[in-house]
Amino acid sequence: DTEVTQTPKHLVMGMTNKKSLKCEQHMGHRAMYWYKQKAKKPPELMFVYSYEKLSINESVPSRFSPECPNSSLLNLHLHALQPEDSALYLCASSTSGLQGLMNTEAFFGQGTRLTVV
Amino acid sequence: GQQVMQIPQYQHVQEGEDFTTYCNSSTTLSNIQWYKQRPGGHPVFLIQLVKSGEVKKQKRLTFQFGEAKKNSSLHITATQTTDVGTYFCAGPGFGNEKLTFGTGTRLTIIP
Repeated sequence: DTEVTQTPKHLVMGMTNKKSLKCEQHMGHRAMYWYKQKAKKPPELMFVYSYEKLSINESVPSRFSPECPNSSLLNLHLHALQPEDSALYLCASSTSGLQGLMNTEAFFGQGTRLTVV
Repeated sequence: GQQVMQIPQYQHVQEGEDFTTYCNSSTTLSNIQWYKQRPGGHPVFLIQLVKSGEVKKQKRLTFQFGEAKKNSSLHITATQTTDVGTYFCAGPGFGNEKLTFGTGTRLTIIP
């Protein structure tokens, strides 16, 4: 199984809502990542988890809260988002887990297309 | 911070023509990776280059890593409609844990 599965595929939420994005992989990867991608832009790193511990937070606003319950799962909890947070949210995983060092190929999920209204 | 630029930003080619995208990093890279993202899709890993001056081929695709490990290129020979998409280079710098994506080159094919 070389898949990274993200749910939901699409999400529309109001600015007062609380929602969660989910990501799952069963490749035994110990590094997992959240990226944000706006239209016609490259993916921008948000968070890195290495061995279930948060190793990198790219100064992401606190309305985004990541969680790594175990080595296969990664969540992104959303609360009080703004319309400018609308984007494609991509989860990725890779084999390198030492201090979040990504030196091997990253497998990306299909993403969650988020719209904040 | 580390910046990775790609040129051109857009490329429109007739089917059968060649295509090249260039990637330049502001810092030395420990390795360079290339990804392809189809319209409406997610990035898919193509290849990783590690050694200075390394050249790798995948069928019609040729990847190069510069001698100084600060630049790279992807060349596609005789493009096909299946090559449509955005090509990103991505690389962690030395001592840098983050994988930074280049600005991308969007390739469109005119049949």
